[in-house]
Amino acid sequence: KQEVTQIPAALSVPEGENLVLNCSFTDSAIYNLQWFRQDPGKGLTSLLLIQSSQREQTSGRLNASLDKSSGRSTLYIAASQPGDSATYLCAVVKTGTASKLTFGTGTRLQVTL
Amino acid sequence: DAGVTQSPTHLIKTRGQHVTLRCSPISGHKSVSWYQQVLGQGPQFIFQYYEKEERGRGNFPDRFSARQFPNYSSELNVNALLLGDSALYLCASSPKQGVNYEQYFGPGTRLTVT
Repeated sequence: KQEVTQIPAALSVPEGENLVLNCSFTDSAIYNLQWFRQDPGKGLTSLLLIQSSQREQTSGRLNASLDKSSGRSTLYIAASQPGDSATYLCAVVKTGTASKLTFGTGTRLQVTL
Repeated sequence: DAGVTQSPTHLIKTRGQHVTLRCSPISGHKSVSWYQQVLGQGPQFIFQYYEKEERGRGNFPDRFSARQFPNYSSELNVNALLLGDSALYLCASSPKQGVNYEQYFGPGTRLTVT
């Protein structure tokens, strides 16, 4: 059974800092990994999708890496801003499960002024 | 273009009642998935539909059912509601069924069972 873990569960940083969020998964037989952002009580916003054949993806201040063999992904946020405050979720699509996403429990990020 | 839309936004029901949640995918998307997110946890997969057929089902009881219509919109039905069904129900759409397609989520329906 695929399990996805995100560490830390919560993180508070001052504005302007660079930060890294971690995601690990137990079964390396994945098709892709997707990072999402969720504001309180809201739906999920897709940030980055990394195919299993890729090592990283970049979008603006965000960079996500994938090491499938070790079961790890990181989301790097450069020059953090208060507007980045949200919960960040990673999810994997396991081989043989169509497009079913298996989610971690998320990292709650607060960027302070 | 409009994103994934869901209705209603919020819903309060009593134990034992039935509820129907609705989802309209992004225009041109043919695959719809449903997820349940309990407070403080990541979303859990309930169903996936593609071309009006069920293509995947998560570990949920038979009280949960869904269907997809010819216009690719979808309904999630939950019978005999329990307190534990209180959650945010999320709908996601993608262009096709398949692992290489990014999934786009709607704002969710917040269901409270009292």
